[in-house]
Amino acid sequence: AQSVSQHNHHVILSEAASLELGCNYSYGGTVNLFWYVQYPGQHLQLLLKYFSGDPLVKGIKGFEAEFIKSKFSFNLRKPSVQWSDTAEYFCAVMNTGRRALTFGSGTRLQVQP
Amino acid sequence: DGGITQSPKYLFRKEGQNVTLSCEQNLNHDAMYWYRQDPGQGLRLIYYSQIVNDFQKGDIAEGYSVSREKKESFPLTVTSAQKNPTAFYLCASSIRGNLAKNIQYFGAGTRLSVL
Repeated sequence: AQSVSQHNHHVILSEAASLELGCNYSYGGTVNLFWYVQYPGQHLQLLLKYFSGDPLVKGIKGFEAEFIKSKFSFNLRKPSVQWSDTAEYFCAVMNTGRRALTFGSGTRLQVQP
Repeated sequence: DGGITQSPKYLFRKEGQNVTLSCEQNLNHDAMYWYRQDPGQGLRLIYYSQIVNDFQKGDIAEGYSVSREKKESFPLTVTSAQKNPTAFYLCASSIRGNLAKNIQYFGAGTRLSVL
């Protein structure tokens, strides 16, 4: 079965600091990878996705992620965080058979002004 | 506005009671999903449906039931057999075709608590 690991459970940063959130998955075949974000009181929404092609994918709000197949990783990055980035971030991998998502446990990011 | 509507926003269940969570979408999506979110555990798949009148168990289906009689609706019933129902429940939908377009969109969720 697929699984997703997010090792950072709670991250606290100051504004303008750089961000990298780790995500590792355990599936050896073709993968479709996602980062979702849940802002306080809001819907879970898609930040970015990787299906194929360029392993460096760019998403909304200045976020990007790099797919490294040899490391089974899909880490999320942002060069300079803002207070408005305070949210919970979830990495997910799609099971291409049932087309449902397997999520990591999430990382709570707190950005201090 | 197109989207996914979950109701109610908050729900309380008494011991031995079945409760039903509503999920309606007007995105014309074929596929619908139910996830359960617990603190520190991310989201776990309860049930999913790729097409009307068909649905499959996810990873934690015990104590839950669903129906898919209409394309736009996918209600989830939390039965009395679910011993730990307190959680945040999220409904999602997606198109069913090309994988590259298979992005799931989520509702605002229902928070279920036990009295």
